[in-house]
Amino acid sequence: GDSVTQMEGPVTLSEEAFLTINCTYTATGYPSLFWYVQYPGEGLQLLLKATKADDKGSNKGFEATYRKETTSFHLEKGSVQVSDSAVYFCALGDNQGGKLIFGQGTELSVKP
Amino acid sequence: DTAVSQTPKYLVTQMGNDKSIKCEQNLGHDTMYWYKQDSKKFLKIMFSYNNKELIINETVPNRFSPKSPDKAHLNLHINSLELGDSAVYFCASSPMSPGQGAYGYTFGSGTRLTVV
Repeated sequence: GDSVTQMEGPVTLSEEAFLTINCTYTATGYPSLFWYVQYPGEGLQLLLKATKADDKGSNKGFEATYRKETTSFHLEKGSVQVSDSAVYFCALGDNQGGKLIFGQGTELSVKP
Repeated sequence: DTAVSQTPKYLVTQMGNDKSIKCEQNLGHDTMYWYKQDSKKFLKIMFSYNNKELIINETVPNRFSPKSPDKAHLNLHINSLELGDSAVYFCASSPMSPGQGAYGYTFGSGTRLTVV
């Protein structure tokens, strides 16, 4: 079945460092891809999405490109802030039932 | 004006009890979901309703029963609670209909269930 694999956390970075969180997927067909962020004690918020190959999603300085050839959707940010500390989830959208399948989440901690 | 609201936010109860979690969305979305997040943050879908009709029912013990009185509400009732049911339960909604592809979800803030 469809699945999503993210890099293991926690990831600890200093403020202004470059961030990459790897995400790869296995799916039949052409799923939509998403990144969600969960701040402590809160629900998940949609960060960005891409619906077809080569699309780039971007929001709040984060970006990710839908790479069909490598089945990847890596999240990047050029300069992280302490306020970016959260758990990040990669997800793929099932185009039949509409359910989202999530990766295991990657915890990011940014130190001043 | 919370888009997806869940109540209660925290629920502590004893083993064997029956409890309900309520969810309401004011976004006009057609589809609602329940997800379970375990202690390692892993998220797994439990149920999905589209316009009050059950469309996804993953492998969930039949002690869990969803109810959708209308398309804006999806409640989760749990019978005979067990220690392993302790988790955070998230409700979510999306505008999609089956077969139309996946859109981003809007999540509620979660209900932390602790069974003692």
